[in-house]
Amino acid sequence: EDQVTQSPEALRLQEGESSSLNCSYTVSGLRGLFWYRQDPGKGPEFLFTLYSAGEEKEKERLKATLTKKESFLHITAPKPEDSATYLCAVQARPGRRALTFGSGTRLQVQP
Amino acid sequence: DAGVTQSPTHLIKTRGQHVTLRCSPISGHKSVSWYQQVLGQGPQFIFQYYEKEERGRGNFPDRFSARQFPNYSSELNVNALLLGDSALYLCASSTTGGETQYFGPGTRLLVL
Repeated sequence: EDQVTQSPEALRLQEGESSSLNCSYTVSGLRGLFWYRQDPGKGPEFLFTLYSAGEEKEKERLKATLTKKESFLHITAPKPEDSATYLCAVQARPGRRALTFGSGTRLQVQP
Repeated sequence: DAGVTQSPTHLIKTRGQHVTLRCSPISGHKSVSWYQQVLGQGPQFIFQYYEKEERGRGNFPDRFSARQFPNYSSELNVNALLLGDSALYLCASSTTGGETQYFGPGTRLLVL
């Protein structure tokens, strides 16, 4: 059974204080690993897709990396508007197209 | 371009009632997936449809059903509502189902 574990559950940072969120996964064969951002009461907003170990993607203050067992979301010099829940999900091959999500990391960035 | 749209945004029902939730995918997307998100948890997969056919089903009881229409929009139906069905119901669309899924704003269902 596919499993995704995210840590920490919650993280409080000061504005400008860089950190990393972890996503550990167990999957029969990885088709893709996805990062989403979710604001309270809203649907998840797509951030990145990673397909193979060693792959990295960047967007503004965010950088996602992937190994064979885990993914990291690095947040550089965060701002208060980066406060949200960050969700990690995996899609397994072959055949299964459902996303299996972790419980998320709640990030709060204080000014 | 418009993103994924869902209706209604909020819904209050009582136990035992039936509910229908609606979703319109991004233009050009032929696959729709439904997820249930309980407060404090990640979304859980319910169904996926592609070209009007069911492609996958999660671990949900038969009270949950769905369908996809020729215009690729979709409905999620839940019968005999239980208190535990209270959640945010999310619809996601993708071109074929096997790649990045884009989520709508969700329908917040409260069962009293």
